[in-house]
Amino acid sequence: DGGITQSPKYLFRKEGQNVTLSCEQNLNHDAMYWYRQDPGQGLRLIYYSQIVNDFQKGDIAEGYSVSREKKESFPLTVTSAQKNPTAFYLCASSTTDSEVQYFGPGTRLTVT
Amino acid sequence: AQSVTQPDIHITVSEGASLELRCNYSYGATPYLFWYVQSPGQGLQLLLKYFSGDTLVQGIKGFEAEFKRSQSSFNLRKPSVHWSDAAEYFCAVGVGGSQGNLIFGKGTKLSVKP
Repeated sequence: DGGITQSPKYLFRKEGQNVTLSCEQNLNHDAMYWYRQDPGQGLRLIYYSQIVNDFQKGDIAEGYSVSREKKESFPLTVTSAQKNPTAFYLCASSTTDSEVQYFGPGTRLTVT
Repeated sequence: AQSVTQPDIHITVSEGASLELRCNYSYGATPYLFWYVQSPGQGLQLLLKYFSGDTLVQGIKGFEAEFKRSQSSFNLRKPSVHWSDAAEYFCAVGVGGSQGNLIFGKGTKLSVKP
């Protein structure tokens, strides 16, 4: 069954701790994306990667980091430098010749 | 700068009534346009897309959307709403080029009255 997996669905952390969100896809897509969603704000792009070992900052990259060591995986680390990390995080993927993005189920991160 | 506006934050319709969700975009070139739907606590599901050609596009779940270049709009419609259509709907424009990024509107939450 092809798709995008994000784990865990819910994540709780104390302020000052780094936390890594997982995103895995078996769609053989080259491009992967991380979005942040806040109520009433739509989706905002954090980072994206068009190819393994390469990634670019999106609109709100400050306080986040990513890696792309494998085509299937694009983990997102929320660092302690992120001022307001509590949010719903969505991972997506696409082929490089298509504008259509497919989304994972999301991870809700709560930092207290 | 590219942008997407969904003027209605929340819409309530009765089951069986027709639906139109508005979307306006700002983009210099020919846009790629999308509608996604999101159930609470879930990811986004693609309803339909417009790349070129026929300006009336059909999607899943009985939805359709019409691209109107003169109005910079891409409104989503459904002739008869079902209770299961209650969700949040997002319009997006594809920036294109090497980025392949999407710019999303802030969403319209749809409630359905029995």
